Amino acid sequence: AQSVAQPEDQVNVAEGNPLTVKCTYSVSGNPYLFWYVQYPNRGLQFLLKYITGDNLVKGSYGFEAEFNKSQTSFHLKKPSALVSDSALYFCAVIPDTGGFKTIFGAGTRLFVKA
Amino acid sequence: DSGVTQTPKHLITATGQRVTLRCSPRSGDLSVYWYQQSLDQGLQFLIQYYNGEERAKGNILERFSAQQFPDLHSELNLSSLELGDSALYFCASSSSGGGSTDTQYFGPGTRLTVL
Repeated sequence: AQSVAQPEDQVNVAEGNPLTVKCTYSVSGNPYLFWYVQYPNRGLQFLLKYITGDNLVKGSYGFEAEFNKSQTSFHLKKPSALVSDSALYFCAVIPDTGGFKTIFGAGTRLFVKA
Repeated sequence: DSGVTQTPKHLITATGQRVTLRCSPRSGDLSVYWYQQSLDQGLQFLIQYYNGEERAKGNILERFSAQQFPDLHSELNLSSLELGDSALYFCASSSSGGGSTDTQYFGPGTRLTVL
């Protein structure tokens, strides 16, 4: 079955420290990978996506993610966390094997402490 | 603000009832997607419409139906409501047919509470 795993329900980090939110996937064919962020009482906001090309993708608000095909991972990173980054983060994948269904991970809650 | 609008913001109703959720996509977007977000199921894709036609179907119950109108707005109809249908329902839109590279832009959601 095709799936996305976010192994951590919650990530805690101090402001100014680097942050990583993990994502691994299992799909047939090549994956198209996305990260979204959800603030309280808001819809999801697109952060970045990997389609092809450079494995390091840069996105909004200073976030970046690295596609690692051998480890089937797409971890989200930021060099210096802000308190305002505290939110719920979703990894998502669309397999390239046909069909248009987006598969979302369960989400990881990020807490950035001042 | 993503440009996707959803009404109403909140909806409280009773079991067995029927409700309609409405979504207006971003200007120029042809695809509309519906998602259900609940604590136990996470974010689940329900259905996608592209330019008025159903494009992809996910975990949508038979009690639920959707359509996209000529002006591209979409409605999600939920009938014979059960307590377990209480959730946040999101609409998203994208510019084209929802191919793998299409970015989806999400609305603020409709919170449905079934009592």
